[in-house]
Amino acid sequence: KNQVEQSPQSLIILEGKNCTLQCNYTVSPFSNLRWYKQDTGRGPVSLTIMTFSENTKSNGRYTATLDADTKQSSLHITASQLSDSASYICVVSGLLGVSGKSTFGDGTTLTVKP
Amino acid sequence: DTAVSQTPKYLVTQMGNDKSIKCEQNLGHDTMYWYKQDSKKFLKIMFSYNNKELIINETVPNRFSPKSPDKAHLNLHINSLELGDSAVYFCASSLTQGAGNIQYFGAGTRLSVL
Repeated sequence: KNQVEQSPQSLIILEGKNCTLQCNYTVSPFSNLRWYKQDTGRGPVSLTIMTFSENTKSNGRYTATLDADTKQSSLHITASQLSDSASYICVVSGLLGVSGKSTFGDGTTLTVKP
Repeated sequence: DTAVSQTPKYLVTQMGNDKSIKCEQNLGHDTMYWYKQDSKKFLKIMFSYNNKELIINETVPNRFSPKSPDKAHLNLHINSLELGDSAVYFCASSLTQGAGNIQYFGAGTRLSVL
């Protein structure tokens, strides 16, 4: 069964600090991995999308890495801001799947405190 | 201009009632989805339509009936509402049904069944 596991489940950091969120998956064959940010009361918004051949991708202060061999991804947030407080969801799609058949992780809830 | 819009934003109703949630996207996308997010924040795919044709139905009770009058709209009708239906329902769309497509989510509809 395809799985996507995220850690930690929740994280509290001080404003200005960096943090790293983890995503391990067993989806195979692999097509792409996406990180979404979901603010409270809002729908998820795409941050990055990476395919098999990509090791890293940045979007402002967000940098995602992918190791397709070990089936691991991380999302690094630099110089955190209060507005980074949200849930971060890792989504993995198989090679033959459609977008909706993607496997969603359960998310990491990040709280940035002043 | 809202890309994916859902109405209503909040829906409070009693057990046994029938209700509908509407979704419209103005992105010109071919594929639309319905997701359910429960109290633990887990996002689960319910349905996916591509050009008005059903492509994913994730063993959702037949009390849930999606309707796609055209590819810009995917409405969700729920019969005989139950307490367990209480959740946030998200509509999303993507350019096509391919696995590499980013999904754009609506703001969600919070359904409370009393």
